[in-house]
Amino acid sequence: DTAVSQTPKYLVTQMGNDKSIKCEQNLGHDTMYWYKQDSKKFLKIMFSYNNKELIINETVPNRFSPKSPDKAHLNLHINSLELGDSAVYFCASSPRGDSYPQYFGPGTRLLVL
Amino acid sequence: AQSVTQPDIHITVSEGASLELRCNYSYGATPYLFWYVQSPGQGLQLLLKYFSGDTLVQGIKGFEAEFKRSQSSFNLRKPSVHWSDAAEYFCAVGGQSGNTPLVFGKGTRLSVIA
Repeated sequence: DTAVSQTPKYLVTQMGNDKSIKCEQNLGHDTMYWYKQDSKKFLKIMFSYNNKELIINETVPNRFSPKSPDKAHLNLHINSLELGDSAVYFCASSPRGDSYPQYFGPGTRLLVL
Repeated sequence: AQSVTQPDIHITVSEGASLELRCNYSYGATPYLFWYVQSPGQGLQLLLKYFSGDTLVQGIKGFEAEFKRSQSSFNLRKPSVHWSDAAEYFCAVGGQSGNTPLVFGKGTRLSVIA
């Protein structure tokens, strides 16, 4: 069973489009996250949700909007995609809080043309 | 603000040789420390973690790390590297506050040669 899953795995799209990435965890964790990994492999947190409530919202353009319909799901919607949005986006979850081990999904590779 | 420095961008070792990957952190209180590994095209897998107690922690795949408060370091070691260990390794630091996000280092790429 996949603990943290993301769909799609690859996403190629044109500038200006709107796209969504879905994440699901079956670990029963309370907290979920979105990270962005740039071309230099640098990982930076974007958002953190605890029991469907937004906890962390780092300096991210408001074109990015996370949505958590329940504590097992955290989706990421991106409006008006730009070239600089090209990256790998990782979803993660942890039992509670931000300082506990986080379990990562396989990543979604987004390429904006 | 917390930060993590991994001084080595790329390390190459021979199969069977020992390995040490360096990690230095900056954090105002007692840190929580982690090492993750990322194989090509894959997500991140937790290798080991340090919260408190014994400063030498054992992880999966034969890895261990030692927390040295005086040096603000949490170096990762393995006595004998296997070709399958070739990957990107990330050190991360978090705090004891529930709202403290993990901060990752920029990673060290490990290559293993025969």
